[in-house]
Amino acid sequence: EAGVAQSPRYKIIEKRQSVAFWCNPISGHATLYWYQQILGQGPKLLIQFQNNGVVDDSQLPKDRFSAERLKGVDSTLKIQPAKLEDSAVYLCASSPHPNEQFFGPGTRLTVL
Amino acid sequence: GQNIDQPTEMTATEGAIVQINCTYQTSGFNGLFWYQQHAGEAPTFLSYNVLDGLEEKGRFSSFLSRSKGYSYLLLKELQMKDSASYLCAPSSGSARQLTFGSGTQLTVLP
Repeated sequence: EAGVAQSPRYKIIEKRQSVAFWCNPISGHATLYWYQQILGQGPKLLIQFQNNGVVDDSQLPKDRFSAERLKGVDSTLKIQPAKLEDSAVYLCASSPHPNEQFFGPGTRLTVL
Repeated sequence: GQNIDQPTEMTATEGAIVQINCTYQTSGFNGLFWYQQHAGEAPTFLSYNVLDGLEEKGRFSSFLSRSKGYSYLLLKELQMKDSASYLCAPSSGSARQLTFGSGTQLTVLP
């Protein structure tokens, strides 16, 4: 079974630029999550989708972050414009049921 | 609200036993997860406790006390490859969302 795929794996941008991350969950997993993990901290949930609907985006900084999952499969997370404090690993996870989440390898973002 | 406390770092010797504690204060609590994360890699699932008591899975065991807001992860017969960060994550709400602690960085020495 293929795992959660994410791209790119690494991205370096300057502040005020825009960036987008892509996630392809495990086939058949209805729930998809985006997490932000700052160095030395645990992952923080940004947004949770159930199929193509948003379950929770209370911790998503909506003035600069946006996410979509138009067809209930792939998802993109965008940051526009980026700030220095956005430097982190962005993890995508999917789950077939609430009791287990499978994480992708993450995208490491560096904002200069 | 959510408040999760686990030690920042621990060191143990190969072949030994180590216990990583986690205390939490979580609204709408419905279970507790432990994840392992090697440096530069994604978290991987270790265990999930819903009821009080000990769950054993090979060299790893996890304990939960819901009334005390306390859990621990027990690692036996430590191996060098167990050097990693161990993340305590209570789940809450109808959507079973995870809130992760900052992780305990375990170093296994030869």
